[in-house]
Amino acid sequence: QSVLTQPPSVSAAPGQRVTISCSGSTSNIGNNYVSWYQQLPGTAPKLLIYDNNERPSGISDRFSGSKFGTSATLGITGLQTGDEADYYCGAWDSSLNAVIFGGGTKLTVL
Amino acid sequence: EVQLVESGGGLVQPGGSLRLSCVASGFTFRSYSMNWVRQAPGKGLEWVSYISSSSRTIHYADSVKGRFTISRDNAKNSLFLEVTGLRDGDTAVYYCATMTPSLVLEYWGQGTLVTVSS
Repeated sequence: QSVLTQPPSVSAAPGQRVTISCSGSTSNIGNNYVSWYQQLPGTAPKLLIYDNNERPSGISDRFSGSKFGTSATLGITGLQTGDEADYYCGAWDSSLNAVIFGGGTKLTVL
Repeated sequence: EVQLVESGGGLVQPGGSLRLSCVASGFTFRSYSMNWVRQAPGKGLEWVSYISSSSRTIHYADSVKGRFTISRDNAKNSLFLEVTGLRDGDTAVYYCATMTPSLVLEYWGQGTLVTVSS
């Protein structure tokens, strides 16, 4: 059972915008940075957003992150078929002394 | 270019042991905390273990505590995970990952598959 809660799936048409939510608690999202990971089929996870809303070098500005209280959101604009992947939120949990992840959200670009 | 290359996975019987390795290059390994994360077939990500740059601080997930041991050799740019008392539920791809000072998993290896089966 994941400590962070994400919707199992989201879908939208090419060119549209989609958001993925991630809900936690004060011991994780509320007091630590949120990160987002993209996992394309058959590949390792890749860091997409770090420190709540920062993009690593090479990540498109179509991807954005935000955090408010104990929840975070990943936004993807201008959807492309190549964005079809599983997306995970993650954060350090200060009570567990562990990295925790959401259960993952499968994005389908219709 | 940062590279993390895991090895050591394989097929092992329940109760068996393996030693997973992760060799790092392209960055100053001794300056970074490191982690192991696993992913069971068709499932989500599960964090396994953390080790600080100096090995002074180590954490484990409750599911592996007492059975897995994380270690590192900074002189050899290598991270290890000794996995013992393996169970069916330990079947997964095991990834090593670097960690930023803000406790974010930044770079990931390609993973090594551990299959526990009789």
